[in-house]
Amino acid sequence: QEQLVQSGAEAKKPGASVKVSCKASGYTFTSYDITWVRQATGQGLEWMGWMNPNTGDTGYAQKFQGRVTMTRHTAINTAYMELSSLTSEDTAVYYCAICTLVAAATGPMDVWGQGATVTVSS
Amino acid sequence: SYVLTQPPSVSVAPGQTAKITCEGNNIGRKNVHWYQQKPGRAPVLVVYDVSDRPSGIPERFSGSNSGNTATLTIARVEAGDEAAYYCHVWDGSSYHVLFGGGTKLTVL
Repeated sequence: QEQLVQSGAEAKKPGASVKVSCKASGYTFTSYDITWVRQATGQGLEWMGWMNPNTGDTGYAQKFQGRVTMTRHTAINTAYMELSSLTSEDTAVYYCAICTLVAAATGPMDVWGQGATVTVSS
Repeated sequence: SYVLTQPPSVSVAPGQTAKITCEGNNIGRKNVHWYQQKPGRAPVLVVYDVSDRPSGIPERFSGSNSGNTATLTIARVEAGDEAAYYCHVWDGSSYHVLFGGGTKLTVL
């Protein structure tokens, strides 16, 4: 059974960076692209981008270009999303997810992590 | 840029049918996916590729897509269906995943 387990809550100051991890289990880590989605409190879902764990290729939402970096450590089946130059607008729950149904980052996300809360405040 | 529009809220009595729409320019040409999200929980995929259901999702959940409107239909609504629902498409023009703004389903 595929499972994604994310790192814990983070509290950051404006201007800092945050790195959220997503540990995969129950499947071959390199089989599915990993997508990152965030959700501010009381708001909707916002797509941030994807990463191919096999090649390291990435695709980022234009809004986050230059500020987001998605990486992986294949030896420990873990993906990372790092967001820099944080502001209060980045306070949100950050989710990682995969699509096992069509094995494509553009497809429907059927397995999600539990979410990681990032709070940005001075 | 491509925009998906959902009604902010839909209300329905238990046992009735709920229809949640997702509007977008020629969305009928796209594959649409739907998620259910309850407070404090990660989203759950309930319908994908317009009308397919993942394993474990009740047959009461169905989808359709034509013209400028995709629709998630929930038959025989139960109290446990109360949640936010989001539509999702891939926009090949911008190479972006897009979500609708979400619809809060209230079971009266």
